[in-house]
Amino acid sequence: LAKTTQPISMDSYEGQEVNITCSHNNIATNDYITWYQQFPSQGPRFIIQGYKTKVTNEVASLFIPADRKSSTLSLPRVSLSDTAVYYCLVGVPPNDYKLSFGAGTTVTVRA
Amino acid sequence: NAGVTQTPKFRVLKTGQSMTLLCAQDMNHEYMYWYRQDPGMGLRLIHYSVGEGTTAKGEVPDGYNVSRLKKQNFLLGLESAAPSQTSVYFCASSYPQGLQETQYFGPGTRLLVL
Repeated sequence: LAKTTQPISMDSYEGQEVNITCSHNNIATNDYITWYQQFPSQGPRFIIQGYKTKVTNEVASLFIPADRKSSTLSLPRVSLSDTAVYYCLVGVPPNDYKLSFGAGTTVTVRA
Repeated sequence: NAGVTQTPKFRVLKTGQSMTLLCAQDMNHEYMYWYRQDPGMGLRLIHYSVGEGTTAKGEVPDGYNVSRLKKQNFLLGLESAAPSQTSVYFCASSYPQGLQETQYFGPGTRLLVL
């Protein structure tokens, strides 16, 4: 069961790039890395998922080094609406679904 | 296509009362989950189900029971509510594809136990 560690909070300004690193030292061979975003009073929403190297979609990029012991979510040119909590999950269902979302990283974007 | 819906949106209970939270999904997903989220904290898994008629315990199952009699519905029951169960409850569903999985979350149910 891969445990994850993320920073508690990060501050940024509009137009900047935000990079959130998640550590998962005991990631297993079959584990995918998934990131979710949660706005206040809403359920989490899937952002991006990857296994190795780099994945990019219309919202974010996910960078995974060769050893896969960490991953970095990159949010390009953030706006005020990107203020949210971001969660990193590592695991394979259903066995790893005794895992839970940690406290996540609270990203605050300022004008 | 409504996705994942939760009923009710908000409820106030007195200590010792019972209630059932309903989660429904119209995406034909196999897996369903119940989480709780306390103020300033992440989501903790209560119970989950990998298919109709099957359920399993998550990280914090005590004080809760679940049932998955129909594929599209996942019920969370509190037999005797306690103030410690005051929380926001989220339901999610997913359809794993190989080793990948994306969870779709409902809007949440806010529960206050007095």
